Amino acid sequence: EAGVVQSPRYKIIEKKQPVAFWCNPISGHNTLYWYLQNLGQGPELLIRYENEEAVDDSQLPKDRFSAERLKGVDSTLKIQPAELGDSAVYLCASSNPPGTQYFGPGTRLTVL
Amino acid sequence: GESVGLHLPTLSVQEGDNSIINCAYSNSASDYFIWYKQESGKGPQFIIDIRSNMDKRQGQRVTVLLNKTVKHLSLQIAATQPGDSAVYFCAETHSGNTPLVFGKGTRLSVIA
Repeated sequence: EAGVVQSPRYKIIEKKQPVAFWCNPISGHNTLYWYLQNLGQGPELLIRYENEEAVDDSQLPKDRFSAERLKGVDSTLKIQPAELGDSAVYLCASSNPPGTQYFGPGTRLTVL
Repeated sequence: GESVGLHLPTLSVQEGDNSIINCAYSNSASDYFIWYKQESGKGPQFIIDIRSNMDKRQGQRVTVLLNKTVKHLSLQIAATQPGDSAVYFCAETHSGNTPLVFGKGTRLSVIA
């Protein structure tokens, strides 16, 4: 069975440019999460979806970040415009609630 | 690949010895705990979990101990191997419905 798939794996952009990350969860997992991981720290939740509904987006900086999961399967996380401080690894995870979360490999974003 | 956790606490262990990684969790209401392993350039990988109605759970070469009185979690790895070298995170949640909160992480280095 395939795990959580994320793309791209690496992205380098200049500040003020937009960027988007894509995630395809494990088949059958209704819950999808986006996390931010800074170097040397554990992942921090940005947003959680139950099917297509965002049930927890309290930590998502809504002035520049947006996410969608239109058909309740794959999801896109967007940043517009990107800032230098957005450089980090963006992780996607999925689960069958209240089960264990399984993580994808992440997208490493570098903002120059 | 990049390093995860440049300034994390580090545990160095001789190959073949047992490793013990400790974690203090923050929320006394947390009732589900997970240990994740994160290798450089990869997402966190599930190792083992435990619910608060248990104080010990064993997997293959790994054991998790939970002490709710002092809010302490430990991961024991038997016969540590070079492939066990990674950063290890504990994570806590309440009934799986609250955000998964990650601890600081510990870097395990196995000396061959």
